[in-house]
Amino acid sequence: AQSVTQLGSHVSVSEGALVLLRCNYSSSVPPYLFWYVQYPNQGLQLLLKYTSAATLVKGINGFEAEFKKSETSFHLTKPSAHMRDAAEYFCAVSFGSSNTGKLIFGQGTTLQVKP
Amino acid sequence: GAVVSQHPSWVICKSGTSVKIECRSLDFQATTMFWYRQFPKQSLMLMATSNEGSKATYEQGVEKDKFLINHASLTLSTLTVTSAHPEDSSFYICSARDLGTGIFNSPLHFGNGTRLTVT
Repeated sequence: AQSVTQLGSHVSVSEGALVLLRCNYSSSVPPYLFWYVQYPNQGLQLLLKYTSAATLVKGINGFEAEFKKSETSFHLTKPSAHMRDAAEYFCAVSFGSSNTGKLIFGQGTTLQVKP
Repeated sequence: GAVVSQHPSWVICKSGTSVKIECRSLDFQATTMFWYRQFPKQSLMLMATSNEGSKATYEQGVEKDKFLINHASLTLSTLTVTSAHPEDSSFYICSARDLGTGIFNSPLHFGNGTRLTVT
Protein backbone atom coordinates (compact mmCIF):
# COMPACT_ATOMS: atom_id res chain seq x y z
CA ALA A 1 0.00 0.00 0.00
CA GLN A 2 1.09 3.52 -0.68
CA SER A 3 1.61 5.77 2.30
CA VAL A 4 3.47 8.75 3.68
CA THR A 5 5.00 9.07 7.12
CA GLN A 6 6.21 12.15 8.91
CA LEU A 7 8.72 11.38 11.60
CA GLY A 8 8.23 13.53 14.66
CA SER A 9 4.86 15.02 15.47
CA HIS A 10 6.50 18.00 17.15
CA VAL A 11 9.73 19.81 16.32
CA SER A 12 11.08 22.72 18.33
CA VAL A 13 13.89 24.98 17.14
CA SER A 14 15.31 28.32 18.15
CA GLU A 15 14.85 31.35 15.95
CA GLY A 16 17.65 31.41 13.40
CA ALA A 17 18.33 27.68 13.66
CA LEU A 18 18.03 25.08 10.92
CA VAL A 19 14.60 23.58 10.36
CA LEU A 20 14.38 19.92 9.33
CA LEU A 21 11.02 18.21 8.97
CA ARG A 22 11.12 14.59 7.89
CA CYS A 23 8.89 12.82 5.40
CA ASN A 24 9.18 9.31 4.02
CA TYR A 25 6.91 7.67 1.51
CA SER A 26 6.10 4.18 0.42
CA SER A 27 5.12 3.63 -3.18
CA SER A 28 5.46 1.12 -5.96
CA VAL A 29 5.09 3.84 -8.59
CA PRO A 30 6.81 7.21 -8.97
CA PRO A 31 5.18 9.61 -6.54
CA TYR A 32 4.41 13.27 -6.73
CA LEU A 33 5.27 14.91 -3.44
CA PHE A 34 4.09 18.08 -1.77
CA TRP A 35 4.64 20.05 1.41
CA TYR A 36 1.82 22.17 2.79
CA VAL A 37 1.69 24.54 5.76
CA GLN A 38 -1.37 25.16 7.91
CA TYR A 39 -1.83 28.06 10.27
CA PRO A 40 -4.43 27.81 13.07
CA ASN A 41 -8.02 27.60 11.85
CA GLN A 42 -7.03 27.99 8.24
CA GLY A 43 -6.76 25.83 5.18
CA LEU A 44 -3.52 24.59 3.70
CA GLN A 45 -1.01 26.59 1.71
CA LEU A 46 1.36 24.95 -0.73
CA LEU A 47 5.03 25.36 0.14
CA LEU A 48 6.56 23.35 -2.67
CA LYS A 49 6.12 20.32 -4.87
CA TYR A 50 8.22 17.60 -6.50
CA THR A 51 7.04 16.40 -9.89
CA SER A 52 9.97 14.33 -11.23
CA ALA A 53 12.01 17.27 -12.47
CA ALA A 54 14.83 18.57 -10.27
CA THR A 55 15.32 16.57 -7.09
CA LEU A 56 16.05 19.71 -5.05
CA VAL A 57 12.93 21.80 -4.95
CA LYS A 58 12.76 25.37 -3.72
CA GLY A 59 9.53 26.72 -2.34
CA ILE A 60 8.09 29.80 -0.74
CA ASN A 61 9.24 31.42 2.50
CA GLY A 62 12.77 30.08 2.12
CA PHE A 63 11.85 26.41 2.37
CA GLU A 64 13.27 23.69 0.19
CA ALA A 65 13.06 19.92 0.00
CA GLU A 66 15.14 17.21 -1.60
CA PHE A 67 13.71 14.09 -3.17
CA LYS A 68 15.90 11.06 -2.47
CA LYS A 69 14.61 7.98 -4.21
CA SER A 70 17.13 5.66 -2.57
CA GLU A 71 15.92 6.75 0.84
CA THR A 72 12.26 7.23 -0.20
CA SER A 73 12.42 10.59 1.52
CA PHE A 74 11.34 14.17 0.89
CA HIS A 75 12.54 16.10 3.91
CA LEU A 76 11.73 19.80 4.26
CA THR A 77 14.44 22.22 5.34
CA LYS A 78 14.98 25.91 5.97
CA PRO A 79 18.39 27.32 6.90
CA SER A 80 17.14 29.86 9.42
CA ALA A 81 13.83 29.66 11.26
CA HIS A 82 11.62 32.70 11.82
CA MET A 83 8.95 33.09 14.45
CA ARG A 84 6.35 33.28 11.69
CA ASP A 85 7.29 29.75 10.58
CA ALA A 86 5.55 28.30 13.62
CA ALA A 87 2.71 26.24 12.17
CA GLU A 88 1.61 22.74 11.23
CA TYR A 89 3.37 21.17 8.28
CA PHE A 90 2.02 18.34 6.17
CA CYS A 91 3.78 16.16 3.66
CA ALA A 92 1.49 14.74 1.00
CA VAL A 93 1.71 12.31 -1.85
CA SER A 94 -0.23 11.99 -5.07
CA PHE A 95 0.35 8.73 -6.86
CA GLY A 96 0.50 8.43 -10.60
CA SER A 97 -1.64 5.33 -10.68
CA SER A 98 -4.58 7.09 -9.10
CA ASN A 99 -7.44 7.99 -11.37
CA THR A 100 -8.47 10.92 -9.27
CA GLY A 101 -5.11 12.34 -8.30
CA LYS A 102 -6.17 12.62 -4.69
CA LEU A 103 -3.65 13.52 -2.02
CA ILE A 104 -2.75 11.35 0.91
CA PHE A 105 -1.41 13.31 3.87
CA GLY A 106 1.11 12.47 6.52
CA GLN A 107 0.27 12.86 10.15
CA GLY A 108 1.62 16.38 10.31
CA THR A 109 4.46 18.01 12.24
CA THR A 110 4.00 20.95 14.54
CA LEU A 111 6.90 23.36 14.27
CA GLN A 112 7.58 25.48 17.32
CA VAL A 113 10.04 28.36 17.02
CA LYS A 114 11.49 29.69 20.25
CA PRO A 115 12.80 33.23 20.52
CA GLY B 1 -3.04 32.23 -8.23
CA ALA B 2 -5.86 29.75 -7.92
CA VAL B 3 -8.25 30.56 -5.10
CA VAL B 4 -10.73 28.28 -3.39
CA SER B 5 -13.40 29.98 -1.33
CA GLN B 6 -15.19 28.06 1.40
CA HIS B 7 -18.27 29.28 3.24
CA PRO B 8 -19.14 29.56 6.05
CA SER B 9 -15.89 29.72 7.98
CA TRP B 10 -17.62 28.58 11.12
CA VAL B 11 -21.08 27.36 12.07
CA ILE B 12 -22.82 26.27 15.23
CA CYS B 13 -25.92 24.15 14.94
CA LYS B 14 -28.18 22.10 17.13
CA SER B 15 -28.14 18.34 17.13
CA GLY B 16 -30.49 16.91 14.50
CA THR B 17 -30.28 19.81 12.09
CA SER B 18 -28.48 19.89 8.74
CA VAL B 19 -25.65 22.16 7.69
CA LYS B 20 -24.50 23.01 4.18
CA ILE B 21 -20.93 24.01 3.39
CA GLU B 22 -20.02 25.58 0.05
CA CYS B 23 -16.76 25.32 -1.81
CA ARG B 24 -16.09 27.51 -4.83
CA SER B 25 -13.17 27.74 -7.21
CA LEU B 26 -12.97 31.45 -7.92
CA ASP B 27 -10.67 31.74 -10.91
CA PHE B 28 -10.53 28.27 -12.37
CA GLN B 29 -12.80 25.39 -13.18
CA ALA B 30 -12.65 22.19 -11.23
CA THR B 31 -14.26 19.00 -12.45
CA THR B 32 -13.10 17.37 -9.26
CA MET B 33 -13.09 18.69 -5.72
CA PHE B 34 -12.03 16.93 -2.55
CA TRP B 35 -13.54 17.12 0.89
CA TYR B 36 -11.38 16.54 3.94
CA ARG B 37 -12.11 16.35 7.62
CA GLN B 38 -9.62 17.28 10.28
CA PHE B 39 -9.84 16.56 13.98
CA PRO B 40 -7.88 18.70 16.45
CA LYS B 41 -4.15 18.14 16.29
CA GLN B 42 -4.59 15.52 13.59
CA SER B 43 -4.03 15.16 9.90
CA LEU B 44 -6.52 15.59 7.09
CA MET B 45 -8.71 12.63 6.34
CA LEU B 46 -10.13 12.42 2.84
CA MET B 47 -13.87 11.98 3.02
CA ALA B 48 -14.94 12.03 -0.60
CA THR B 49 -14.14 13.11 -4.11
CA SER B 50 -16.74 15.35 -5.63
CA ASN B 51 -17.25 14.91 -9.38
CA GLU B 52 -18.99 17.55 -11.47
CA GLY B 53 -22.15 16.18 -13.00
CA SER B 54 -21.93 12.76 -11.40
CA LYS B 55 -22.01 11.02 -8.06
CA ALA B 56 -19.35 11.63 -5.48
CA THR B 57 -16.86 8.92 -4.61
CA TYR B 58 -16.73 8.27 -0.88
CA GLU B 59 -13.82 6.88 1.05
CA GLN B 60 -14.27 3.71 3.02
CA GLY B 61 -16.08 4.27 6.27
CA VAL B 62 -17.68 7.59 5.28
CA GLU B 63 -21.47 7.53 5.36
CA LYS B 64 -22.93 8.68 2.06
CA ASP B 65 -26.31 9.49 3.52
CA LYS B 66 -24.73 11.47 6.31
CA PHE B 67 -22.45 13.59 4.20
CA LEU B 68 -24.26 14.59 1.03
CA ILE B 69 -22.13 16.01 -1.74
CA ASN B 70 -23.37 17.90 -4.75
CA HIS B 71 -21.16 19.22 -7.54
CA ALA B 72 -23.61 20.93 -9.84
CA SER B 73 -21.20 23.21 -11.68
CA LEU B 74 -17.53 23.43 -12.54
CA THR B 75 -16.96 25.99 -9.79
CA LEU B 76 -19.17 24.85 -6.93
CA SER B 77 -19.33 21.82 -4.70
CA THR B 78 -21.40 21.56 -1.54
CA LEU B 79 -21.18 19.28 1.46
CA THR B 80 -24.29 18.86 3.58
CA VAL B 81 -23.97 17.29 6.99
CA THR B 82 -27.40 15.80 7.61
CA SER B 83 -28.93 15.24 11.03
CA ALA B 84 -25.78 16.49 12.65
CA HIS B 85 -24.63 15.12 15.99
CA PRO B 86 -21.92 16.33 18.36
CA GLU B 87 -19.50 13.72 17.01
CA ASP B 88 -19.74 15.44 13.63
CA SER B 89 -18.10 18.51 15.11
CA SER B 90 -14.88 18.99 13.23
CA PHE B 91 -12.95 21.15 10.78
CA TYR B 92 -14.02 20.50 7.21
CA ILE B 93 -11.77 21.58 4.36
CA CYS B 94 -12.42 21.48 0.65
CA SER B 95 -9.85 21.55 -2.10
CA ALA B 96 -9.63 21.63 -5.84
CA ARG B 97 -7.00 21.16 -8.45
CA ASP B 98 -6.19 23.63 -11.19
CA LEU B 99 -5.21 21.05 -13.78
CA GLY B 100 -2.28 22.95 -15.20
CA THR B 101 0.07 20.53 -16.85
CA GLY B 102 -1.54 17.39 -15.57
CA ILE B 103 -3.70 15.81 -12.93
CA PHE B 104 -1.14 14.30 -10.61
CA ASN B 105 1.50 16.97 -10.41
CA SER B 106 -0.77 19.97 -10.09
CA PRO B 107 -1.13 20.96 -6.47
CA LEU B 108 -4.40 21.05 -4.62
CA HIS B 109 -5.62 24.46 -3.56
CA PHE B 110 -7.46 24.55 -0.27
CA GLY B 111 -10.29 26.57 1.12
CA ASN B 112 -9.87 28.10 4.55
CA GLY B 113 -12.02 25.47 6.16
CA THR B 114 -15.28 25.40 8.08
CA ARG B 115 -15.35 24.86 11.81
CA LEU B 116 -18.55 22.96 12.59
CA THR B 117 -19.76 22.74 16.17
CA VAL B 118 -22.84 20.68 16.92
CA THR B 119 -24.44 21.31 20.29
